[in-house]
Amino acid sequence: GIQVEQSPPDLILQEGANSTLRCNFSDSVNNLQWFHQNPWGQLINLFYIPSGTKQNGRLSATTVATERYSLLYISSSQTTDSGVYFCAVFYIGDDKIIFGKGTRLHILP
Amino acid sequence: DAMVIQNPRYQVTQFGKPVTLSCSQTLNHNVMYWYQQKSSQAPKLLFHYYDKDFNNEADTPDNFQSRRPNTSFCFLDIRSPGLGDAAMYLCATRGYTEAFFGQGTRLTVV
Repeated sequence: GIQVEQSPPDLILQEGANSTLRCNFSDSVNNLQWFHQNPWGQLINLFYIPSGTKQNGRLSATTVATERYSLLYISSSQTTDSGVYFCAVFYIGDDKIIFGKGTRLHILP
Repeated sequence: DAMVIQNPRYQVTQFGKPVTLSCSQTLNHNVMYWYQQKSSQAPKLLFHYYDKDFNNEADTPDNFQSRRPNTSFCFLDIRSPGLGDAAMYLCATRGYTEAFFGQGTRLTVV
């Protein structure tokens, strides 16, 4: 099955810093999403981005499907950005959603 | 407005006592999923439905069952919960594009 690898596994930054989270996947995919898991455990949709670039405020994401990776950028980090960020991929023809192991982000005040 | 709703948010059950978790959706999506997530781990797929078609992961214990009586509702039944089943259980739906997750049910087994 498809493998999804996220890096780095842990990231500690000072408030105001910028960060880049990476997601590599082992096969072609039709769909890719980035999630933020909040302290209460809910997975919050950040981006649905099978290809191209999207931006939402301080967050942006880029997926280069032909090279099998996606990047999540967080600018001017705030303490509320802390938590775990997951990348998840899936095919239309295969209904399973496959998660990476996540990146745990700590933003220090 | 919440689109995928899980109840209850927190569930405490006794060792060996059957428990049911519920999930409902207002998106009319064909696909519904149940994931188990333990501390500091990625969500692990237990099973999913495409409409009424049920798909069980090979490593999902027999102790876990699921029902989907209609498009909107899906249930997770744990027949005899053990201490190792304590986890966050996440329900999700998907249409043709992105997936949406509920708030999760945190299960404690005592």
